[in-house]
Amino acid sequence: KAGVTQTPRYLIKTRGQQVTLSCSPISGHRSVSWYQQTPGQGLQFLFEYFSETQRNKGNFPGRFSGRQFSNSRSEMNVSTLELGDSALYLCASSLGSGGASGEQFFGPGTRLTVL
Amino acid sequence: GIQVEQSPPDLILQEGANSTLRCNFSDSVNNLQWFHQNPWGQLINLFYIPSGTKQNGRLSATTVATERYSLLYISSSQTTDSGVYFCAVERYSGAGSYQLTFGKGTKLSVIP
Repeated sequence: KAGVTQTPRYLIKTRGQQVTLSCSPISGHRSVSWYQQTPGQGLQFLFEYFSETQRNKGNFPGRFSGRQFSNSRSEMNVSTLELGDSALYLCASSLGSGGASGEQFFGPGTRLTVL
Repeated sequence: GIQVEQSPPDLILQEGANSTLRCNFSDSVNNLQWFHQNPWGQLINLFYIPSGTKQNGRLSATTVATERYSLLYISSSQTTDSGVYFCAVERYSGAGSYQLTFGKGTKLSVIP
């Protein structure tokens, strides 16, 4: 079974631009979560989608948004990029049925650098 | 929110040595996972262990949910064990959703 895939793997943007990251979960998984990892703040939860609905959102500004498609693939968007948005963005998938996420499996991440 | 504390923050081992990593959490949780992050950033699942003990080769984990801690044991360490080990707890956050809260990790360096 293929694992979680994320594209692109690396991205360089300038302040003020916007960016879209993509995540394809493990086949059969319906829950997709996004996390941001920075040296200062560690791994922080961004949001979770299940069956195209956002079920939960972390404490991030509205510039961070996401969506999930009917095939469970998910995208996250960051608008008006700031230097502090430079981070490794990780996507995780799980079965997510019955209100319980269950074991989460992570993709390789997208490393975003904002100049 | 729930607090997750990992210790030690850094650990240097000679190849072949054994080690114990600890994860304390401040409230009841539904599940707990241990991950190993390799130098390229990939988080690799080690254990999904809400309670009890599990073993996988040279690694084993024990979670005592009633006392709010989990331990990860690494025996006969190898240089490939180097990296950062994360503990993450899953807790119901409302609206049918669970989320993972991560500790800050233990950075392990195994030297030949």
